[in-house]
Order: sequence, then structure tokens, then C-alpha cells
Amino acid sequence: AQSVAQPEDQVNVAEGNPLTVKCTYSVSGNPYLFWYVQYPNRGLQFLLKYITGDNLVKGSYGFEAEFNKSQTSFHLKKPSALVSDSALYFCAVRDSGGYNKLIFGAGTRLAVHP
Amino acid sequence: DGGITQSPKYLFRKEGQNVTLSCEQNLNHDAMYWYRQDPGQGLRLIYYSQIVNDFQKGDIAEGYSVSREKKESFPLTVTSAQKNPTAFYLCASSTLGQAANYGYTFGSGTRLTVV
Repeated sequence: AQSVAQPEDQVNVAEGNPLTVKCTYSVSGNPYLFWYVQYPNRGLQFLLKYITGDNLVKGSYGFEAEFNKSQTSFHLKKPSALVSDSALYFCAVRDSGGYNKLIFGAGTRLAVHP
Repeated sequence: DGGITQSPKYLFRKEGQNVTLSCEQNLNHDAMYWYRQDPGQGLRLIYYSQIVNDFQKGDIAEGYSVSREKKESFPLTVTSAQKNPTAFYLCASSTLGQAANYGYTFGSGTRLTVV
């Protein structure tokens, strides 16, 4: 079965420190991977995607993600966290069964402390 | 500006009542989706549609119904058969084919509460 796992419910990091939000996936065929961010009572905003090409993908607001095929991971990273990065982050993979359905992880809450 | 609009932002439903959540997009996207969000459970797919007058059930379609009479609109009805409807509902749209690699555009959501 195709799935996405975000093993951490919450990640805490001090402002200015690097952050990592983890994501692993299981999908048949080549993975199409996405990261979204959600602020309270808002919809999801697109951060970045991996379709093909370089394993290090750069996205919005200074975020980047590293695709690792052997570990089936797509971890979200940022070199220096900001308090304003505090939000709920979702990893998603495109369902290989077609219809452009996205399968989402359960989400990871990022808390950046001053 | 192009976008996707959900209304209302907050909705209260009495026991046994049907309610309809609106979703409208002006992005000329072919596909539209409804997700339900509960704390700690991520997003679960309710229904999706690729073309007008056609839609498919997602993972948790029981107690919900949709229509797609226009490309721009994909309303969701939460029926009295849905026993636990209190949740945050998100509508999304996307292109199809190669252009679909850009993912979804989401609305701002509707928070439904049973009173």
C-alpha cells in the first residue's frame, strides 16, 4: 500500500538553529513528493516538490528537501530557523494509481523558540 | 487574482441536518478534491473529480455527497448520515497530466462544528 510517514508529531528547535522535519514514503514506481505548510485555520501552502533531477530541492522561504531513494526519505530542512516558521508541515506523495491523488502524512508541528 | 475560495469559514450544524460547503476556483483547473482534517490524522480524501459531471469516492466518502455541474465549482454536502462531522474541511484543485506535477492549490478551509 502506498503511504507517507512523518515519524515526529512535533519538532522543537531554537531560533537560528538548523531544522529537519522527517518524511518517509512507500509508493510503487517513481515517487512524486511534496511538502506543504499550514498556519492555524488556513489551507495548505506549497513549499517544494521533487519530481526528478537533483536530490536536493530548494523551495519557498529558504526551505529545502533532500530526496534519498535508498532510504525512501524526503526530509525537509532549513539552515537557520525563524520563529515565524512555526506551523504544521505535511509531506505528500502522488498516488501512482493515477487521478493525481496526493497521499498526505499525518503532519509534524514545528515549534521554533526565541 | 486566481485562487480557490471556500465558504463559509465557520459552519455550525445541528444533529440530523444536512449542510453544504462551497468551493469555487478560477484557476481553470480540471481536477478538484475534498479533504477532511482531524488533529493528528492528517488529511483524508473524501471525494475527487477530474471532469464536469464525474466524481469518485475517496477513502472516507460515507456520509458525504458532492456534485460537479460546473468546472469552477465542487460543493460538498455533509449529510445526517455522517456521524462525526466536526472537522476542518479543505478543498483543493489541480491541473492534470504533466502540469499536475505542480501539486495542489488549497482553499482556506471550512471549520464545521456540530452543536
